[in-house]
This record gives sequence, C-alpha cells and structure tokens, in this order.
Amino acid sequence: ETGVTQSPTHLIKTRGQQVTLRCSSQSGHNTVSWYQQALGQGPQFIFQYYREEENGRGNFPPRFSGLQFPNYSSELNVNALELDDSALYLCASSLGGYADTQYFGPGTRLTVL
Amino acid sequence: QKEVEQDPGPLSVPEGAIVSLNCTYSNSAFQYFMWYRQYSRKGPELLMYTYSSGNKEDGRFTAQVDKSSKYISLFIRDSQPSDSATYLCAMRRDDYKLSFGAGTTVTVRA
Repeated sequence: ETGVTQSPTHLIKTRGQQVTLRCSSQSGHNTVSWYQQALGQGPQFIFQYYREEENGRGNFPPRFSGLQFPNYSSELNVNALELDDSALYLCASSLGGYADTQYFGPGTRLTVL
Repeated sequence: QKEVEQDPGPLSVPEGAIVSLNCTYSNSAFQYFMWYRQYSRKGPELLMYTYSSGNKEDGRFTAQVDKSSKYISLFIRDSQPSDSATYLCAMRRDDYKLSFGAGTTVTVRA
C-alpha cells in the first residue's frame, strides 16, 4: 500500500456548490498529480504540481484549481459544481523527472446531486 | 478516436488460467508504459512499468510492448481469485501526463 492519503473518503454536494479535496503525498515525493475517474472509465489527468507550481494541465475548465503546500501536500478545488463532476478523484505522488512513477491514493468519491 | 484503446471486457476465467490483456495507442510519442490494478472503490496500484519494446517479467506477470505496432499486453499466469480487479493500461510521453485506457474488468472464478 502506498503512503498517499486522501480526504475525505466520500462527499455529497449539490449543484453549484464548491468543494475542496485534500491529498498527502508519499514521503520524499515533491510532485502531485490529480485525476478524475468517472464510473467505468480510466482516470483523466486534471493537473500536476511540482514544488508548489502548476506543472501542466489537462482539458479541464478553470473552475478546477489546485494548490500545493511547502510540505508537498495538495488541494483540489472545484467551484460551481455540475452533475458531471460526480466521480472518483485520485491524487498521485511521484519524485518528478522524466522517468518518474506515480503512486495513487485511495481517492475521494464525490457525488453531485 | 481515443489516444489509448482498451477493451473493457468483462473477462471471466477459471482459476489457474492465463489472463491476457491488451491496449493499443495512436500517439507514437508515448515512451513509458504501465499497467495498474484497481480493486473496487480503491486507487490504482502500479503492477508493471516498462520503457522499451520487448518483454518484462515479474513473478506471475509479464508485460509486452511493441512500439512498431503501438500495442501493449499484460499476461497473468496461474491466475487466482485475488487477481479479480480492473486492469488499467497507462502510458506517457516524455512529460508529466499519464493517459489511461478505460480498464478491463477481470473475474477469476474459483
């Protein structure tokens, strides 16, 4: 089991609300990536943070934003929630670099009603 | 067309059988190839990581990469009921973003 932890485990929100999800990376890892996994689909890349700076972004609107803190933990914020935002949100930590391997946390299951 | 195509299955095999999984991809820039296992309601767990074309073996698992055909495979020998999970292929270029297949759901029957 990896050392990546996420909170909360489950979350229920209503459309239009805002949500913050949290991730603690594995010890020694300075890079955190966030993914959205809809039911029955593979994870889709949202963005990555390296040493507190956004290092790349997938095809997600600006209402998806993030932060990385000096201890390399991270937050994913989603504003103006939509029904389609219902998914498993995964964070993955890694050492960074070209050959890095990403290790995933257990995910946060978000349901938007 | 998706960058990474993976047959979602489901795939059901008897215990002890060989499980064969595969993915195709369209982007020749992909250089790193991975297989993850995901149990229900859990995060993906890295099984295999390969860089070059050819075979890589780790216990009961063998990963194959054929870059000329843009085709990767995972074989599980002597399958066990505990291997029942969703298997995700993933790949990336020389950057940060992992591109995943949709996952294949495997059930190993005791």
